[in-house]
Amino acid sequence: GESVGLHLPTLSVQEGDNSIINCAYSNSASDYFIWYKQESGKGPQFIIDIRSNMDKRQGQRVTVLLNKTVKHLSLQIAATQPGDSAVYFCAENESRASGTYKYIFGTGTRLKVLA
Amino acid sequence: KAGVTQTPRYLIKTRGQQVTLSCSPISGHRSVSWYQQTPGQGLQFLFEYFSETQRNKGNFPGRFSGRQFSNSRSEMNVSTLELGDSALYLCASSLVPYNEQFFGPGTRLTVL
Repeated sequence: GESVGLHLPTLSVQEGDNSIINCAYSNSASDYFIWYKQESGKGPQFIIDIRSNMDKRQGQRVTVLLNKTVKHLSLQIAATQPGDSAVYFCAENESRASGTYKYIFGTGTRLKVLA
Repeated sequence: KAGVTQTPRYLIKTRGQQVTLSCSPISGHRSVSWYQQTPGQGLQFLFEYFSETQRNKGNFPGRFSGRQFSNSRSEMNVSTLELGDSALYLCASSLVPYNEQFFGPGTRLTVL
């Protein structure tokens, strides 16, 4: 498959352990945040999102934490499985009074799950 | 429900040529966004269309353009191709803007 990034930071985690992937965002006015998973040769896949009026949101085996004070976002994956191996991106979005917006994506973190 | 489809999946062009990429959104989705993905720059927003109108545009030169048809299908065009345009071009659709986006598999463009 294709590599989406040859020099991405890599997180190696033992199968069954929890994974924490971090992301620093740039715009203090961003009010919507998304985590995506991208497997080799595929487009990004939505995992979970959070709006700026929340600081935590849980999904199935995933939790997103938002710290607006330090502009930091994290994705926690519980009981990491081999199928979780992929590149993970965060994205921030600022909605504007004009009705326009723009997604800004982080560079991504490669998660490797060790058997 | 079928996902987002993009054609072609792979394309090889030479410098100076132009290219048109196609995206069919998920049925019922009216918003289509285009992104460029490269190893060096990551994912970068190109533009977004909703109801046949460009609503948002990223910081790309005018060589990059797009359009959306009444059935929500979208095309993007790159004219006067440069080597640096080699990338994976991703299309994402959503019901309406500012909503969960679903990505297609992308078109891998190689410019020689």
